[in-house]
Amino acid sequence: DVKVTQSSRYLVKRTGEKVFLECVQDMDHENMFWYRQDPGLGLRLIYFSYDVKMKEKGDIPEGYSVSREKKERFSLILESASTNQTSMYLCAGQTGGNQPQHFGDGTRLSIL
Amino acid sequence: AQRVTQPEKLLSVFKGAPVELKCNYSYSGSPELFWYVQYSRQRLQLLLRHISRESIKGFTADLNKGETSFHLKKPFAQEEDSAMYYCALSVGAQKLVFGQGTRLTINP
Repeated sequence: DVKVTQSSRYLVKRTGEKVFLECVQDMDHENMFWYRQDPGLGLRLIYFSYDVKMKEKGDIPEGYSVSREKKERFSLILESASTNQTSMYLCAGQTGGNQPQHFGDGTRLSIL
Repeated sequence: AQRVTQPEKLLSVFKGAPVELKCNYSYSGSPELFWYVQYSRQRLQLLLRHISRESIKGFTADLNKGETSFHLKKPFAQEEDSAMYYCALSVGAQKLVFGQGTRLTINP
């Protein structure tokens, strides 16, 4: 079965900190995605990557960056965390275009 | 612009009753649609996709291009169907656009 693993289930950080959320997949997925999930807003795409060292902005990239140095790892970076970035963050992998995405368990991030 | 709308944030039905979760989309291309489900304390997972035309856990969804809809239906709801449901539209080769989600509660 496909496995997408997010390093932390819960994370608490302070305003202004640089925060790293890590995601690893073991199914040789070409494409990887970072979303945030908020009540009433559904899932919103932050960034995605279709290859190593390649990245594309999603719908809400402001305040975030990403890194994909190896195919299996896709990191989301909050450059200077703010309270409005408190949310559930979901990572997903996808084998190829138009295929279903496979999600990790999510990281619930609180910025105090 | 691509958009997915799920008009009901909350839906509550009794066990054994039919259930329909609504999904409407806006997309100029040929749509490819999915339903994802998230049970309590579990990860978001694919429930079904329209090109498969299959029934999963008793759920079906038919793409209606005329009404730009992809409603999810089940004739007899079960308590284990209680979950958060998201409709999603594939745009381009990789990206998904998600609706706001519907929280379905099945009452005993």
